Amino acid sequence: GALVYQYPRRTICKSGTSMRMECQAVGFQATSVAWYRQSPQKTFELIALSTVNSAIKYEQNFTQEKFPISHPNLSFSSMTVLNAYLEDRGLYLCGAMADNQAPLFGEGTRLSVL
Amino acid sequence: GEKVEQHESTLSVREGDSAVINCTYTDTASSYFPWYKQEAGKSLHFVIDIRSNVDRKQSQRLTVLLDKKAKRFSLHITATQPEDSAIYFCAASLMSNYNVLYFGSGTKLTVEP
Repeated sequence: GALVYQYPRRTICKSGTSMRMECQAVGFQATSVAWYRQSPQKTFELIALSTVNSAIKYEQNFTQEKFPISHPNLSFSSMTVLNAYLEDRGLYLCGAMADNQAPLFGEGTRLSVL
Repeated sequence: GEKVEQHESTLSVREGDSAVINCTYTDTASSYFPWYKQEAGKSLHFVIDIRSNVDRKQSQRLTVLLDKKAKRFSLHITATQPEDSAIYFCAASLMSNYNVLYFGSGTKLTVEP
């Protein structure tokens, strides 16, 4: 069946360092991948949408300089949190979508910042 | 941009009763409305969705109602069970890209045995 695999599941980084997380679509081709963040006690905010053959579109309050994303093929995407600080902690979700299908979410990468 | 409001932050019901969670949205162009469930410490799991070409969709104990005029949609759970306890998130999206989801703030549903 189709699923989305995210790695790592949990990570801790020191304040000011960077952390890369990965998203793998298994059993289907992801024409678009969206990254979301759930900060503690909050809802899910869209960070950016990456669509094959299009530029990556970032939402307000999120920038490529802070959250660079790579989407090299239809099954893989990665995002880095650069210079992570306390406000960057939370659950980062990857939602992968095939054409005209509801997105499938991975289990997320939980980021803690010391 | 789209703003989704979820009105109940917490909801407590007795096992076997019904639960209703309400959401409103602002963008009239939104046309796809999924619901997700998040259990403690876990990710989002898809529950049910509705598209704007219908105003009601049922799947077993779950029903979603959509009122496009009022820009309101709701999730109804009948015959609740303790395992329904979780945080439920509503979301809205344009039909052109289901992957751009704007989420409500979540409703923590507790079903007491």
